[in-house]
Amino acid sequence: DAGITQSPRHKVTETGTPVTLRCHQTENHRYMYWYRQDPGHGLRLIHYSYGVKDTDKGEVSDGYSVSRSKTEDFLLTLESATSSQTSVYFCAISASREEAFFGQGTRLTVV
Amino acid sequence: GNSVTQMEGPVTLSEEAFLTINCTYTATGYPSLFWYVQYPGEGLQLLLKATKADDKGSNKGFEATYRKETTSFHLEKGSVQVSDSAVYFCALSDRDSGYSTLTFGKGTMLLVSP
Repeated sequence: DAGITQSPRHKVTETGTPVTLRCHQTENHRYMYWYRQDPGHGLRLIHYSYGVKDTDKGEVSDGYSVSRSKTEDFLLTLESATSSQTSVYFCAISASREEAFFGQGTRLTVV
Repeated sequence: GNSVTQMEGPVTLSEEAFLTINCTYTATGYPSLFWYVQYPGEGLQLLLKATKADDKGSNKGFEATYRKETTSFHLEKGSVQVSDSAVYFCALSDRDSGYSTLTFGKGTMLLVSP
């Protein structure tokens, strides 16, 4: 299995609070991604990174920000959580434009 | 833009039955194609891939052929097992970029009964 660790694995938070999800990799892959998974939508790309301090927006980036200060860590922040951000969040990594490897996911519930 | 359409589920089969899950795509460039599998409570695992037309990806008895003329990448298995019960996602990556920003279908749940 690819060395990807997401934390926390589960979180319940209140509307309006900030939340940060962490993705840590031990593979030294250049590219990292955050997706969210929702019933009826499959997985949708939130943000991605193509190097330290280099990030870009995906399909559903509104309400989310990211940071990558080290190759191994990619943080996803919800500045002010809303109920529509209740979802399962997956981090992925890749070394090239070929296959990506996924973490175990973080289940976030905003109440 | 890119999009992936796959058949809705759940697909319910008896053990040893033949499986087909249809997947078609729309892409502006010349994508690579993937099937991922997600077991309950887990992340996505790459099942197989194909990077050019007429390539056949295969793994664990599953196969899919990259058909450029029909823009399809259907997943097949000759004899399913109970342990194959999972959600299957078809996906493509944009070859015009240098990284693997994947576009996914909505997923197809497969339920295999003994």
